[in-house]
Amino acid sequence: SAVISQKPSRDICQRGTSLTIQCQVDSQVTMMFWYRQQPGQSLTLIATANQGSEATYESGFVIDKFPISRPNLTFSTLTVSNMSPEDSSIYLCSFRGTSGRFRETQYFGPGTRLLVL
Amino acid sequence: AQKITQTQPGMFVQEKEAVTLDCTYDTSDPSYGLFWYKQPSSGEMIFLIYQGSYDQQNATEGRYSLNFQKARKSANLVISASQLGDSAMYFCAMRERRSGTSYGKLTFGQGTILTVHP
Repeated sequence: SAVISQKPSRDICQRGTSLTIQCQVDSQVTMMFWYRQQPGQSLTLIATANQGSEATYESGFVIDKFPISRPNLTFSTLTVSNMSPEDSSIYLCSFRGTSGRFRETQYFGPGTRLLVL
Repeated sequence: AQKITQTQPGMFVQEKEAVTLDCTYDTSDPSYGLFWYKQPSSGEMIFLIYQGSYDQQNATEGRYSLNFQKARKSANLVISASQLGDSAMYFCAMRERRSGTSYGKLTFGQGTILTVHP
C-alpha cells in the first residue's frame, strides 16, 4: 500500500489567521479526500480533490473557508482560512487504494492537530 | 436516520481474550463497502479491515475478522487474542457507490473506545 504523509503534524494558531496543510502520497492517486474530526467527534468529509479540477465540497463546507489545491496526482493542500476556535480539529487527508487487493481500501494520513486560540 | 450506528461507547476486555465491537448500518444502495479503523491517542486512522457488500465470505486480516450479516445489516469487528496495544478508539464506516463523484466518501459511526486490561 502507498505511504501518505501530512505536514504540519500539529499547530497552534491565532484566530483570524490561516493555515495550509500539506498531504503527500508516494504513488499517484486519482482522488484525494479531506476529512475533519472535531474534538470527541467522528470524521466528516470536507471535500474531494481531483487533479486538474476544482474540489467538490460537502454540504456545510465552502471553498472560501477551506480552499484546496491539487497540483498533481501525489500532492494536495487544504487551507483553513480566517480561523476561529471552532476550527480546532484533527484534519486528515485520505485516498483510495489503487490496485489489486488494496483497490477497495481507503487510507488516511497521520492527521494534523490544529488548535486555534 | 443514522447510517452507521455503534451502540457501545466503551468496551473492556482482558488481555488475550476475544472482543466483539458492534456496528449496524443503513443503506438502500446494493453496492457498498464497510470498513473498520483503529484510532490510537496519536490521532492517526489505521485501516484494519474491509468488507464488500457482494463478498461471499467474511473478511479476515490477522487477528481481525468482520462478522458480516447482510440481512441484519450488521458488520461487527471481532478482535481475537486482545493485546494491550489494541486499546484505542475503533470506528466503523461505510462507503456507498451511489455517492457518485465522492466515491471515496466514508460515513463514520461515533466510535467505540476499547480498553484492554492486563
